[in-house]
Amino acid sequence: DAGVTQSPTHLIKTRGQQVTLRCSPKSGHDTVSWYQQALGQGPQFIFQYYEEEERQRGNFPDRFSGHQFPNYSSELNVNALLLGDSALYLCASSLGDSVYTGELFFGEGSRLTVL
Amino acid sequence: KQEVTQIPAALSVPEGENLVLNCSFTDSAIYNLQWFRQDPGKGLTSLLLIQSSQREQTSGRLNASLDKSSGRSTLYIAASQPGDSATYLCAVVDNYGQNFVFGPGTRLSVLP
Repeated sequence: DAGVTQSPTHLIKTRGQQVTLRCSPKSGHDTVSWYQQALGQGPQFIFQYYEEEERQRGNFPDRFSGHQFPNYSSELNVNALLLGDSALYLCASSLGDSVYTGELFFGEGSRLTVL
Repeated sequence: KQEVTQIPAALSVPEGENLVLNCSFTDSAIYNLQWFRQDPGKGLTSLLLIQSSQREQTSGRLNASLDKSSGRSTLYIAASQPGDSATYLCAVVDNYGQNFVFGPGTRLSVLP
């Protein structure tokens, strides 16, 4: 039973560039949430996708966008990268059988460094 | 706005000790509370999920309790081992949204 997988694991970009991160949810899960975790802090909610639509969004600018595909996999896109976007980006999957998010299962994350 | 705090920020104990990690949240109207473990540079591993109708959950040497009225949860680790060294985070889903709100975590070191 495959867990949540993310790619790439590490990447380095320069300011102003754009990045795309990818996530495949745990088998049987249909909901994907994205989180940003700065060093030494807890994860911060970016947005959640369910049935290919953004269901809820945290306090992040429009430079952060996403997409969910029919197979439930998801992408996170960040445009016009800033130094402050350097962080561990975590994808989590859950079952969308309730309006409330159920148990979260996380991937290993994508470490983004912006120079 | 829901806020989650965790005390202590860091904890160092000798192997074999029983220990308690604390989590507090400001809005008691929560749906779920989940405890996670995170090793350095890695993702989060789910430890225990407590639904709002439950008061505690147990898994092996771990026991988590929930007191919604006081806005508190505790994670009890019995007979700690060096392999338990990690950061432990709690998170709550409030009744108004789909996102989990995380605490900053407690960094645990278990010394051999």
